[in-house]
Amino acid sequence: DAGITQSPRHKVTETGTPVTLRCHQTENHRYMYWYRQDPGHGLRLIHYSYGVKDTDKGEVSDGYSVSRSKTEDFLLTLESATSSQTSVYFCAISGIGNNQPQHFGDGTRLSIL
Amino acid sequence: DQQVKQNSPSLSVQEGRISILNCDYTNSMFDYFLWYKKYPAEGPTFLISISSIKDKNEDGRFTVFLNKSAKHLSLHIVPSQPGDSAVYFCAAQVSPANSKLTFGKGITLSVRP
Repeated sequence: DAGITQSPRHKVTETGTPVTLRCHQTENHRYMYWYRQDPGHGLRLIHYSYGVKDTDKGEVSDGYSVSRSKTEDFLLTLESATSSQTSVYFCAISGIGNNQPQHFGDGTRLSIL
Repeated sequence: DQQVKQNSPSLSVQEGRISILNCDYTNSMFDYFLWYKKYPAEGPTFLISISSIKDKNEDGRFTVFLNKSAKHLSLHIVPSQPGDSAVYFCAAQVSPANSKLTFGKGITLSVRP
């Protein structure tokens, strides 16, 4: 298994509260990604990072911010959580070069009441 | 606008028979395609991939076929086993150097003993 740890694995919180999800990798991979999975939508890219302090938006980035101060950690923050952000969040990593598939963590189930 | 489509939400096959999972795409810039398998409460696991310069890639019981003119790919599993029961996601990217993945909605495969 790729060395990816997501924390927390489960979280329940209230609308309007800030939430931070953490992704930690031990593979020293350059690229890291945050996806959300919702019924009927598959996985959708929120933000990604191509190096320390280098991040960019994905297709569903509104309401989310990210930070990457170290190679091994990629944080996803919901500044003011809304019920529409209830989802399962997956972190992924990949190396550089051709034909490098992304490898995923086991996800964080986030419920916003 | 969904660029990767998995139009059948589910498939049920008998153990030992062939499973064929289909995927269509609309973006002609996609040139690398991947299949992931996902069990409940786990992250997606990379299964097999294919570059647009090929029309077939095989790995054990799993074979992926690519028809570029039809913008269609399929995953064949032969023989199917009960442990193959999972959700299968088709994914595509514009190039290996641009690693953002676009996922389909997934197909739930059930293999009956």
